Amino acid sequence: KAGVTQTPRYLIKTRGQQVTLSCSPISGHRSVSWYQQTPGQGLQFLFEYFSETQRNKGNFPGRFSGRQFSNSRSEMNVSTLELGDSALYLCASRTTRQPGSGYTFGSGTRLTVV
Amino acid sequence: AQSVTQLGSHVSVSEGALVLLRCNYSSSVPPYLFWYVQYPNQGLQLLLKYTTGATLVKGINGFEAEFKKSETSFHLTKPSAHMSDAAEYFCAVNRMEYGNKLVFGAGTILRVKS
Repeated sequence: KAGVTQTPRYLIKTRGQQVTLSCSPISGHRSVSWYQQTPGQGLQFLFEYFSETQRNKGNFPGRFSGRQFSNSRSEMNVSTLELGDSALYLCASRTTRQPGSGYTFGSGTRLTVV
Repeated sequence: AQSVTQLGSHVSVSEGALVLLRCNYSSSVPPYLFWYVQYPNQGLQLLLKYTTGATLVKGINGFEAEFKKSETSFHLTKPSAHMSDAAEYFCAVNRMEYGNKLVFGAGTILRVKS
């Protein structure tokens, strides 16, 4: 069974640009969440999508957005990039939104903003 | 607000020694509890989780954790450390009442000495 696939693995962007990251969940997983990991702030929740609808959102500015497609694949977009957006962005999927269900994480996309 | 405290940002043990990584949560209602491991340049891998039932939970790679409600703790242990256990470990909690998202501790880097 294929795991959670995130593309690209590495990305370098310039301040002010925008970026789109992609996540393909495990087959049958309908919930997709995104997390940002930085040395200073640790792992922080961005948002969760289920059945193409955003169900939950973390405390991030509106420059961070996402969407989910009918096949459960998800994208997140960051506009007007800032140096502080440099981070590892992790996508996680799970079968349902039941709190006890475990998340399976992808390997992440390493974004560097210069 | 839900919070997770991992005592010790770095833990060093000798190969073959006991591994003990500490995790405490702050919540009047016991959340669902998870331990994840992250190897360099990788995503997070689920080691084990506690939802309901037996308070001693066994996970992969010989790890186990015990949920102690009276101490609001969920410490991770392994009887005998192996060099391959060197990684960063994250404790996380989840509960519908707290936004149904994973809330992570700051992480503990485990070093295994030969």
